[in-house]
Amino acid sequence: SQTIHQWPATLVQPVGSPLSLECTVEGTSNPNLYWYRQAAGRGLQLLFYSVGIGQISSEVPQNLSASRPQDRQFILSSKKLLLSDSGFYLCAWSPRVAGYTFGSGTRLTVV
Amino acid sequence: GQQVMQIPQYQHVQEGEDFTTYCNSSTTLSNIQWYKQRPGGHPVFLIQLVKSGEVKKQKRLTFQFGEAKKNSSLHITATQTTDVGTYFCAGYFGNEKLTFGTGTRLTIIP
Repeated sequence: SQTIHQWPATLVQPVGSPLSLECTVEGTSNPNLYWYRQAAGRGLQLLFYSVGIGQISSEVPQNLSASRPQDRQFILSSKKLLLSDSGFYLCAWSPRVAGYTFGSGTRLTVV
Repeated sequence: GQQVMQIPQYQHVQEGEDFTTYCNSSTTLSNIQWYKQRPGGHPVFLIQLVKSGEVKKQKRLTFQFGEAKKNSSLHITATQTTDVGTYFCAGYFGNEKLTFGTGTRLTIIP
């Protein structure tokens, strides 16, 4: 069966520090991968998605970047965090045009 | 741009009452999905509707996809405390990514 792993669960980082969040998927190959951000009590904002290794589509201009170095690995990064980067970051995978499976998320607080 | 609007934003119901959330798009959707996010949790996929006019049921939950494939609804009969959470619809506009609705937060009054 397919599983998705996302870590860490919570993170407190100072403004200006770097960020690296990792997401890995098991039990499937060539998945579509997604990074979402959710502000407290708000909806889901798509940040990046990838349909294959090295293929990244950015949805919102921001302080973040994403990479997909391996088929089942998706990384979200920032060189210098801003206060506005705080939020709940969710990784998800899907087969083509099907339901998404979300990871358990990372709650990032930038202080 | 392609947007999916969802109403209401919040809904408070007495336990045992019914609940409905509505989803609307200005353009035709390839399909629509529904997700539930419990407080403090992550969204969990509930169902996908593909055909025009499709109706699917999961126990007390009834999902409908409009004839024009531009709207959808989720109806919960006789709500229970376990139904608490935020319900999101999400639609495909024929590309590789879902567009999520704004969500309806359901709270249950015991």
